[in-house]
Amino acid sequence: GENVEQHPSTLSVQEGDSAVIKCTYSDSASNYFPWYKQELGKRPQLIIDIRSNVGEKKDQRIAVTLNKTAKHFSLHITETQPEDSAVYFCAARDNYGQNFVFGPGTRLSVLP
Amino acid sequence: DAGVTQSPTHLIKTRGQQVTLRCSPISGHKSVSWYQQVLGQGPQFIFQYYEKEERGRGNFPDRFSARQFPNYSSELNVNALLLGDSALYLCASSLAGGEATGELFFGEGSRLTVL
Repeated sequence: GENVEQHPSTLSVQEGDSAVIKCTYSDSASNYFPWYKQELGKRPQLIIDIRSNVGEKKDQRIAVTLNKTAKHFSLHITETQPEDSAVYFCAARDNYGQNFVFGPGTRLSVLP
Repeated sequence: DAGVTQSPTHLIKTRGQQVTLRCSPISGHKSVSWYQQVLGQGPQFIFQYYEKEERGRGNFPDRFSARQFPNYSSELNVNALLLGDSALYLCASSLAGGEATGELFFGEGSRLTVL
């Protein structure tokens, strides 16, 4: 089955700097890759997603890139703000569509 | 519009007991999925139901079961609770199921503590 790895597990940046989180997946048939943000005690919320027929997608300060050949995708946050502090999860949807496999998460701290 | 609602929000059980968790999807969503999130880890897939049928099952023992009702709400049941079942149980709804499953909308979760 699908396996998703995520790095780094923790990331601290200064306010205004950029943050990059990387994920790799194992199943070349996976075709949908969302990123979720989970604040302490809150539900995971989708912040951006990308499908396998697209190499890059951007939404204001957030962007995601996908390399299907290498089977990895990355989240890029520019001009980070303290409210970006949270745990970020990447995920890959498996070939059958029922199961989203999540990475272990990255705890991002944006220092003022 | 109401989002995904789950109940109860918190509960404490002892080993060997049984628990039922409930979920109401976003209006119009026909697919409900259940995930277990152990502290410090990512959500792990348990079940997906679409149009009242089980469409997927994760690597969980038979102590875990679920069902979906005609109004698309869902229940997750866990029997013979173990300490390791302590986790946040997340329900997620999506508009479609199977290969068409798109964005997952999560509820706030039910935090289960097993003593």
